Amino acid sequence: QQPVQSPQAVILREGEDAVINCSSSKALYSVHWYRQKHGEAPVFLMILLKGGEQKGHDKISASFNEKKQQSSLYLTASQLSYSGTYFCGTETSGTYKYIFGTGTRLKVLA
Amino acid sequence: DVKVTQSSRYLVKRTGEKVFLECVQDMDHENMFWYRQDPGLGLRLIYFSYDVKMKEKGDIPEGYSVSREKKERFSLILESASTNQTSMYLCASSQTASGSNEQFFGPGTRLTVL
Repeated sequence: QQPVQSPQAVILREGEDAVINCSSSKALYSVHWYRQKHGEAPVFLMILLKGGEQKGHDKISASFNEKKQQSSLYLTASQLSYSGTYFCGTETSGTYKYIFGTGTRLKVLA
Repeated sequence: DVKVTQSSRYLVKRTGEKVFLECVQDMDHENMFWYRQDPGLGLRLIYFSYDVKMKEKGDIPEGYSVSREKKERFSLILESASTNQTSMYLCASSQTASGSNEQFFGPGTRLTVL
């Protein structure tokens, strides 16, 4: 079953912040986040492993709450280059299978 | 620079044809994946392979098969193409099977079945 992402779509002005959530009904081993620009392949952003860690990458960070089986991606002071579709990919323990969410379309306006 | 390549960017086939989609990675990765991407449905896993000649079904394997005879190459086969297999197909690879490794994606093949 695919993890649920929310919101499905969001529009921001440059400099605004956004949070994208990813929830699974299954126990998770890891969560991956990717961004896909129109007409391009998805590009890796970060991985969070079981253990409830939080990671940061420039002005994009993420958290992973394994008890709630949720991950959130935080985009701070958004830039035009942040526009695209964001996917979370989840791996349940021991399966080696990655299941991706349906995606969140994010558009940043000048 | 790491690379995953797919044999075609665009492909048009007729219903009932046998279709081969090829994927090659140059990173010596152990794991390779095939996804299809449809609007509103995200990326759905068709098959994956964690070693040469090994394969595992994903969530939507019906109507597809795969072949991995060499480590760098993973082929997706549509035995008898149908219109509901019109989609974008993405191949990916990762270093090992564990969740601690990112996936590298190819540019995708947009397949249209008429």
